[in-house]
Amino acid sequence: QQQLQESGPGLVKPSETLSLTCNVSGGSINSDSDYWGWIRQSPGKGLEWIGSFDYSGSTYSNPSLRSRVTIFIDTSRTHFSLKLNSVTAADTAVYYCARSTGSPGPGNRYYYGLDLWGPGTTVTVSS
Amino acid sequence: DIQMTQSPSSLSASIGDRVTITCRASQSISSYLNWYKQQPGKAPVLLIYAASSLQRGVPSRFSGSGSGTDFTLTISNLQPEDFVTYYCQESYSTPQATFGQGTKLEIK
Repeated sequence: QQQLQESGPGLVKPSETLSLTCNVSGGSINSDSDYWGWIRQSPGKGLEWIGSFDYSGSTYSNPSLRSRVTIFIDTSRTHFSLKLNSVTAADTAVYYCARSTGSPGPGNRYYYGLDLWGPGTTVTVSS
Repeated sequence: DIQMTQSPSSLSASIGDRVTITCRASQSISSYLNWYKQQPGKAPVLLIYAASSLQRGVPSRFSGSGSGTDFTLTISNLQPEDFVTYYCQESYSTPQATFGQGTKLEIK
């Protein structure tokens, strides 16, 4: 059974780059119907999707963060990473990595749900 | 972009009660709607996908309904572990995901 675990610095200075890694244990990323990505939650606030990638390596990101976000997968397909550059205090949050799995829906579409999450890692942006 | 609006933002109930949480999408999303619960300090957990399908292992006291723009999550026979925060999320735009602002269920 797969599990996810985030890792990375808990403190990042303003204007620098936030770098996080998600370790996938219990199996590699090998399903062509799943998406993998990052979601964050600011203190006392709701959940914000940051970005995702699919089996082919295509990446997708939140339009509000797109210019600052890079998501990539390790060649072993057991790790994937997030880089968010030019951070400010507004980027202080708990960052989660997560898997979105699809169930067959109407036509050629799938019903996707975020069914696997890491425990989250807290990142504070402060000098 | 699709906006998701949940109501109420907080709700008080007692053990054994039945409660309903509502989620409204800014445009039709058919049945592409998920519900999650989140305990303090923990990651969200998927409860319901495709508006009404129960995720494996989720108790049957949880149920979801709706389609188009209006959806509900109903929890029957509330148990102590149910007093947490609930989020809806549209999956119409997958891989993009937009969440509602959350509903905190508190014990009366």
